[in-house]
This record gives sequence, C-alpha cells and structure tokens, in this order.
Amino acid sequence: GESVGLHLPTLSVQEGDNSIINCAYSNSASDYFIWYKQESGKGPQFIIDIRSNMDKRQGQRVTVLLNKTVKHLSLQIAATQPGDSAVYFCAETLKAAGNKLTFGGGTRVLVKP
Amino acid sequence: KAGVTQTPRYLIKTRGQQVTLSCSPISGHRSVSWYQQTPGQGLQFLFEYFSETQRNKGNFPGRFSGRQFSNSRSEMNVSTLELGDSALYLCASKLRGGEQFFGPGTRLTVL
Repeated sequence: GESVGLHLPTLSVQEGDNSIINCAYSNSASDYFIWYKQESGKGPQFIIDIRSNMDKRQGQRVTVLLNKTVKHLSLQIAATQPGDSAVYFCAETLKAAGNKLTFGGGTRVLVKP
Repeated sequence: KAGVTQTPRYLIKTRGQQVTLSCSPISGHRSVSWYQQTPGQGLQFLFEYFSETQRNKGNFPGRFSGRQFSNSRSEMNVSTLELGDSALYLCASKLRGGEQFFGPGTRLTVL
C-alpha cells in the first residue's frame, strides 16, 4: 500500500477500547476544523468537523473536542474496531482563506485484535 | 454518485521532464483543490480552482501550475521535474458549504 508517513506517531489500541488522537493547530484565527482518516492507497476521508464557536461535536462513534485557549483538537473514537486502523489527520482552515486546508502531521492508529 | 477520480494513478518520470495530472470532481462540484503529500512534509495545499479561476495558491514554486475547465475538470502541471517532486498528488472537490471529498491520488515518482 501507499506510505503516507514513515515516522508518524503511532497509537496502538486494543479492539473495543476507546481511542483518543490529539492535534495541536497553528493558527489562532482558524475557524473551522476537520478530522480525516486515510487508509493505505486511498485519499483522506472526512470523519467529522467542528466550527470555532463550538467546543464539542459528536458523530457516530466519534467525538471531536476543541480547546481554542491552547489551540488543541482531539478526536475520540469509541469502541475502536479493526477497520479504524488508518492514519488520522486534523486540518484547520479560515473562512477567508477559501477552501485551503492546513493539515497536521498525522497519527497512525493500529488496532490490535 | 461517482467520487473524485484522478488519472493516472501511477506515473514514473525522470528529472527535467514535465507531467500533467488530471482530476474529475464529483458531479456538480465546482471547487477543485490540489494537495501534495510526502512523508517528510505531510499534506500541503497547492492551489484551488473555482469556476475556471484560481482562487487560492499555496507556497510552491512556479513550476507547479494548474487550470480548470468549464466542466470543472482540473489539471495540474509540474515542469522541470525534480527528485523532490516525488509525492502523492491529491485532488479534492467541494460543493459550496459542504465538505471536501478527496480522490485516491496520483503517485508520481521522479527518477
């Protein structure tokens, strides 16, 4: 498969446990944040997003938390499954910057059966 | 509905050559963005096109260029290829107010 990062931080998690992936973003003016999942050989896939006027948003098995004070974003995955094994990226953008996304470095999640 | 398609999926070129990559967005999407992904630099924004106009540009040299056609299909071109241009080039399309959908990418190898 495609290698998306040779030296990515890796999170190993037992199947069924919860996962927490962290991301520090760079621009305090960013007002929209997205989490993407990238599997080997594929492009990034949207997971969940959050606007800067919120601090928490929940989806199906996923929750995103935003702490603007310390410019920190986290993604929580409940009951992690083998299909969750992938590289996860956070991205930030500014409405005034159009659709330009600035991506974090990524975290590799390995789910152990 | 078909997703974003990119052609070719794999490409091998030599230094000094030029290359053109193609992206067909999801039907109805008028915004197309290009990103470069490398192990060292991660995902970096190249440029965005909307209605055949470049709306935004990243910090890449002028060797990297793009265009968009009236049917929203987009191409990017890299001239005078360098070894460091080896990367996965990703295209994403977007509907106004919606999320960006990424294609599978074109893997470019420069020898």
